[in-house]
Amino acid sequence: DIQMTQSPSSLSASVGDRVTITCRASQSISSYLNWYQQKPGKAPKLLIYAASSLQSGVPSRFSGSGSGTDFTLTISSLQPEDFATYYCQQSYSTLGLFGPGTKVDIK
Amino acid sequence: QVQLQESGPGLVKPSQTLSLTCTVSGGSISSGGYYWSWIRQHPGKGLEWIGYIYYSGSTYYNPSLKSRVTISVDTSKNQFSLKLSSVTAADTAVYYCARVEVRGVIAIDYWGQGTLVTVSS
Repeated sequence: DIQMTQSPSSLSASVGDRVTITCRASQSISSYLNWYQQKPGKAPKLLIYAASSLQSGVPSRFSGSGSGTDFTLTISSLQPEDFATYYCQQSYSTLGLFGPGTKVDIK
Repeated sequence: QVQLQESGPGLVKPSQTLSLTCTVSGGSISSGGYYWSWIRQHPGKGLEWIGYIYYSGSTYYNPSLKSRVTISVDTSKNQFSLKLSSVTAADTAVYYCARVEVRGVIAIDYWGQGTLVTVSS
């Protein structure tokens, strides 16, 4: 199985901050990497697919980059509605595993 | 706009079978190009695949749950279903149904709201 790790596991940030979350795969997954946002009590929401493509309707302050084994999700200017948990997910293999999540909360 | 809605009992007794149905609206399960999936999330934990089904009926299950899982589809009702047998407290979780886009990109583009299933006597 391709294992996914994320760092940090949590972070505290202020509105307006630039936030970067890292996801690493245990082997190369090319660009088969998705990012989801989950707010408490809600289903996850697709933000980024194929490592860097912005899902329709997602604000442009979200961006993704990387290929191979190392990926990043960047929020250019954190907004109040962005406080949530973020998961990466590899789609290279069947039932691609999710990362353990990164919780972004208010400093 | 595609919508998915889970339904089923919120409480299941240990050793019994958990049964959930996902009703899809705003799109046809039979249209192809998507896997119809079940994913669960234990309280306060991360996301775990259970499995998925294609409209043709072909399935793929998480190997760790395979012996207890059945996913089926009813295209006439635009629904797909999950059965998980011999449940224990470890199966207490929020269960999501979801659509996986597989034409080109492979990503979960629509999710149900989730339903909490508690396993308890």
